Parts: sequence; C-alpha cells; structure tokens
Amino acid sequence: SSELTQDPAVSVALGQTVRITCQGDSFRSYLASWYQQKPGQAPVLVIYGKKNRPSGIPDRFSGSSSGNTASLTITGAQAEDEADYYCNSRDSSGNYRVFGGGTKLTVL
Amino acid sequence: ELQLVQSGGGLVQPGGSQRLSCAASGITFRSSWMSWVRQAPGKGLEWVANINQDGSETYYADSVKGRFTISRDNAKNSLYLRMDSLRAEDTAVYYCARDIVVVVSDWFDPWGQGTLVTVSS
Repeated sequence: SSELTQDPAVSVALGQTVRITCQGDSFRSYLASWYQQKPGQAPVLVIYGKKNRPSGIPDRFSGSSSGNTASLTITGAQAEDEADYYCNSRDSSGNYRVFGGGTKLTVL
Repeated sequence: ELQLVQSGGGLVQPGGSQRLSCAASGITFRSSWMSWVRQAPGKGLEWVANINQDGSETYYADSVKGRFTISRDNAKNSLYLRMDSLRAEDTAVYYCARDIVVVVSDWFDPWGQGTLVTVSS
C-alpha cells in the first residue's frame, strides 16, 4: 500500500476550480511534486518544489501544502485537464520515492 | 531540449531476464540523479529504483530489491535497468526519468517515452 493517499476520482464542472489532495506523513519533512498523465502517454511534471510550475504548464495549476497534506489546485478547469494526477514525495525513511495511488480527474 | 529515449523491453518468460536502456540528450546527464518508474496495466505509478551521479549510490523499491540492478554509463549518456528473475507482476510500462534532488524537494523531469515489458509464458 502507498504511503501517500489520494482520492481515486474527482470531478469538476468546466471552468470551475478543483483541488486534488495527497496525504502522507512525509509532507511534514519533504515537499510534493505533481504529475499529469493522459491515456497512453508518459507522465508530465506540473508542480514541483511545493508550488513551482515548469515552463509550458498553464498558471491555472498551482500547488500548496499544509501539515500532512499536499494539494494541487486547478483554477478554471479545462477539458484538456481531464487526466490522472499523481503526487510524489519520499517515504517515511526519506531514502525512497513514493507515488500516491493517483486521482482520475473528470471535467464535466 | 531535454530528451530521454528508451529501448529494450518486450516479451520475456517468467524467471527470465531483460535489460532496458535510456539514452539522454540535451541534458547534463553526468550531473543528474536518474530513476526508473513503472506502471502495471491499468494501475498507478510505482517508483522502482534510482542512482546518483557517479553510480556509487543506488536505491530500490522493496518489490524489486535483489532482482533488479540500476546502472549508468556517463561516457555514453545512458541509464540501464537489468531485470532478473522476472515475475508476472513485473509486467508494466517502464519509464526512465531524470530525478532532480534539491534538499527536501525532489521531482522527475523529463520522462522517457516508456517501454512495455511483458512477463508471460
């Protein structure tokens, strides 16, 4: 079982705001990174270092963290944002990487 | 542009071996940690292993420890994953990725295109 817990599925109406969360004790010591994966494609980094966006990622994507929970927020969700989203950090030992189970985002 | 191009993979029998390769271009490969991540059909991402810049440090997920070996050749800008004693549950798409480590923050970018390994008789 994963040390990072995500809701399996979330839905949002087109143009509305959605928050995808990831819970884990590692966030008290380490920061999260977030990945978007569309069917048949490799994952793409969307947030790193808590709230930084790589070039090319729209500014509607943002990250935050509080206590043992990291969050990815999409403000004004678009149809092309429909995808699986994964959080990543370290495990409780700090030596290994671990992914959350993933959240399937549906844009209605 | 940063790019990772993978090769290898395919069908292998249970108990068999397979080697995956990942060729890097456009990045300072020799100064980067690198990782392998896999995804079983219809499942989520699973981190498999990583290696430091000169290959002196390696870490493995418990699920592959003792069976998989990560290595690199900086002269060839290449990363490898040797997989032995393969099991049906190792069937997955395997991705290589640059593993950026900054104190308490880590992230994977870029990723290779992925290569499918199928373990079946």
